[in-house]
Amino acid sequence: DAGITQSPRHKVTETGTPVTLRCHQTENHRYMYWYRQDPGHGLRLIHYSYGVKDTDKGEVSDGYSVSRSKTEDFLLTLESATSSQTSVYFCASQGAYEQYFGPGTRLTVT
Amino acid sequence: AQSVSQHNHHVILSEAASLELGCNYSYGGTVNLFWYVQYPGQHLQLLLKYFSGDPLVKGIKGFEAEFIKSKFSFNLRKPSVQWSDTAEYFCAVSPNSGGYQKVTFGTGTKLQVIP
Repeated sequence: DAGITQSPRHKVTETGTPVTLRCHQTENHRYMYWYRQDPGHGLRLIHYSYGVKDTDKGEVSDGYSVSRSKTEDFLLTLESATSSQTSVYFCASQGAYEQYFGPGTRLTVT
Repeated sequence: AQSVSQHNHHVILSEAASLELGCNYSYGGTVNLFWYVQYPGQHLQLLLKYFSGDPLVKGIKGFEAEFIKSKFSFNLRKPSVQWSDTAEYFCAVSPNSGGYQKVTFGTGTKLQVIP
């Protein structure tokens, strides 16, 4: 597995607060992704990055922003958390073709 | 746009039973196909992948999958499951192109293996 870490692993926050999740990879992969996983929906792409400072939206990007200032770090920010954003968030980086996933962050918005 | 269908949402098998999980995709061009596994409380791990060549692909832990282009299918098989195979399995597809991989995942199949 690629060396992908996520922090925090668990977080509980209140509605309306901003939250930032961090993804760090050690493989020097160009492409990185943020997904959310919800029962019955599989994984859905939130945002992706194709290089430092180069990002684009996925299918469920509303309420989320991302930043990538270094190749190894990809941050996901919930600008004002809502209960519908309670989910498990996975970061991934892309090797030759396949994606390698981090351990996930379980976020609960109360 | 591509899509993936996994028809079995929850499968329960006894140990030593054979497994086949269905996956069908929709896309007009050539594709890369994947099966990922997620053990309870863990992240997704790649089981196997198909890019080109032999349509029968062998992966880790005794799993294999067969790409049938005419049926747009990529079913996952294992001849004899073990209790440790209890997990959720995701089929995924992406266009066969370089660069950014827009991977579309199925909704997953939960496999429960009873000892």
